[in-house]
Amino acid sequence: GIQVEQSPPDLILQEGANSTLRCNFSDSVNNLQWFHQNPWGQLINLFYIPSGTKQNGRLSATTVATERYSLLYISSSQTTDSGVYFCAVPVSSGSARQLTFGSGTQLTVLP
Amino acid sequence: DSGVTQTPKHLITATGQRVTLRCSPRSGDLSVYWYQQSLDQGLQFLIQYYNGEERAKGNILERFSAQQFPDLHSELNLSSLELGDSALYFCASSTRGEGEAFFGQGTRLTVV
Repeated sequence: GIQVEQSPPDLILQEGANSTLRCNFSDSVNNLQWFHQNPWGQLINLFYIPSGTKQNGRLSATTVATERYSLLYISSSQTTDSGVYFCAVPVSSGSARQLTFGSGTQLTVLP
Repeated sequence: DSGVTQTPKHLITATGQRVTLRCSPRSGDLSVYWYQQSLDQGLQFLIQYYNGEERAKGNILERFSAQQFPDLHSELNLSSLELGDSALYFCASSTRGEGEAFFGQGTRLTVV
């Protein structure tokens, strides 16, 4: 099946710093999602981004489907950005669309 | 709020017991997915239902089963529980099985 790799596995930043998280996938996909799992365990949708670039406040994401990677940019990081960031791609078979997740990037933003 | 509702939020039970986790998808979503998140396995797909029918199975144990009812809510049944079944169980929904998936807050199961 498709492999999803995220890097770095861990990232520690000072508040106000910028960061880039990477997601590589082993096969062509028709969509990709980024999630933030907060310290309470909740999975929050960040981006649904099959290709191109999207921005939402201090966060933006770019997916280059032809080269099989996606990047998540966090600017002016805040302590509330701490948590685990996952990317996920669908494994399609007929009407099945389950997601395969990467192992995540654990982000810690220090005050 | 994703619009996906899971109950209960927390569950503590003993080995050998059976529990039922419940999920209400977002209004209008026909597809429901169950995922398990454990420390050593990460987020793993268990099973998908679409409009009441099973559509895909992942790494779901035979002790686990699920169903989707006519009102589109879904239940995940876990039986003969073992310590290793302790995990966060998520439900997600999407429209027609395609497009963006939205996750509930999860049920944290602890087997003691």
